[in-house]
Amino acid sequence: TQLLEQSPQFLSIQEGENLTVYCNSSSVFSSLQWYRQEPGEGPVLLVTVVTGGEVKKLKRLTFQFGDARKDSSLHITAAQTGDTGLYLCAGVTTSYDKVIFGPGTSLSVIP
Amino acid sequence: EPEVTQTPSHQVTQMGQEVILRCVPISNHLYFYWYRQILGQKVEFLVSFYNNEISEKSEIFDDQFSVERPDGSNFTLKIRSTKLEDSAMYFCASRKSLAASSYNEQFFGPGTRLTVL
Repeated sequence: TQLLEQSPQFLSIQEGENLTVYCNSSSVFSSLQWYRQEPGEGPVLLVTVVTGGEVKKLKRLTFQFGDARKDSSLHITAAQTGDTGLYLCAGVTTSYDKVIFGPGTSLSVIP
Repeated sequence: EPEVTQTPSHQVTQMGQEVILRCVPISNHLYFYWYRQILGQKVEFLVSFYNNEISEKSEIFDDQFSVERPDGSNFTLKIRSTKLEDSAMYFCASRKSLAASSYNEQFFGPGTRLTVL
């Protein structure tokens, strides 16, 4: 069974602070994705990382894929209240590209 | 911008009743998926569908569940006899191809909230 773990589960920070969310698995995935989910809505893809060691930047968000393609991190610089939400790490399998989701990290940015 | 749509947004049903959740994937997509998310829990894979047949299903997807693409545009999930534990958000997703590209993403619909009483 392929499982993804995320830490921390909950994170509450002040606006302007930096933060890092971690995603770990014992399995290798063809790629890893990060989604953001708002209450009552479906997950929205932020980024896909494919190559071990890959780093991608999306404005203030930096995503990293571990060399062994089993772990990933999401770093947010100078968090804003608009960053508040549920961040989901997800592994894309080689089996018809089904997505295995982690439990999510609930981020709250306080003004 | 094309998007996956789902109807209804909220379905309330009595235990033991049949429900059909509907999805319209993005028109040129070939791979279709159903996921569910029980309140407060993670999003879980249910089933993938390609070329008019199930390509993979999870342990959750038992004989009470079925999927169908009846008319080339809709993609449905049927639960024959609902149980209380079927209450969840159900998300449909579609994907254009399985090409190894970081831009070949799976697009998720807004979900149907199913409440079984």
